[in-house]
Amino acid sequence: GQQVMQIPQYQHVQEGEDFTTYCNSSTTLSNIQWYKQRPGGHPVFLIQLVKSGEVKKQKRLTFQFGEAKKNSSLHITATQTTDVGTYFCAGSFSNDYKLSFGAGTTVTVRA
Amino acid sequence: ETGVTQTPRHLVMGMTNKKSLKCEQHLGHNAMYWYKQSAKKPLELMFVYNFKEQTENNSVPSRFSPECPNSSHLFLHLHTLQPEDSALYLCASSQEGASNTEAFFGQGTRLTVV
Repeated sequence: GQQVMQIPQYQHVQEGEDFTTYCNSSTTLSNIQWYKQRPGGHPVFLIQLVKSGEVKKQKRLTFQFGEAKKNSSLHITATQTTDVGTYFCAGSFSNDYKLSFGAGTTVTVRA
Repeated sequence: ETGVTQTPRHLVMGMTNKKSLKCEQHLGHNAMYWYKQSAKKPLELMFVYNFKEQTENNSVPSRFSPECPNSSHLFLHLHTLQPEDSALYLCASSQEGASNTEAFFGQGTRLTVV
């Protein structure tokens, strides 16, 4: 079936440093969404990207959708302890509205 | 508060018990989902309902039985579960056909099978 792969699975970051998580699909995506799940919580929608090459920013978070619409990235600058959690990408394909979730990147922050 | 409410939040059940998980959405969405989230595993899509009709069953064992009586309510009936079924069960809803297909998740039911 159509799948979305996400790396890395774990990211241990020093407070103040930057990091990036990546999402890839072998099939062209119609859109990509990003979610954040805090420890003990549930996934919460962050953003949706639809256009080829689209870049969106939310404060210290930068989301990018690849030109071929097969990959996406989330870059966080100056990591803070509030960034702790698991970040999921989720893509939908043109023939199916349902979301296919990546495995998630679990982020821990060293103060 | 996401507009999607799940009950109970925690459930411990024996392998011979029968229980039901409930999900209710107040967002007017036309699609509802059950996901299973196990430790160190991706979110697994179990069932999809669109306009109350089941549109997907991802090879889920028959000991899980979904029910969608209307577009606002979704149930997951559980019977004779196994310990490996212990997980966080998440309900979500979205609007199929909309430009933004954002999924709204409930807080989940933490299920432990003993």
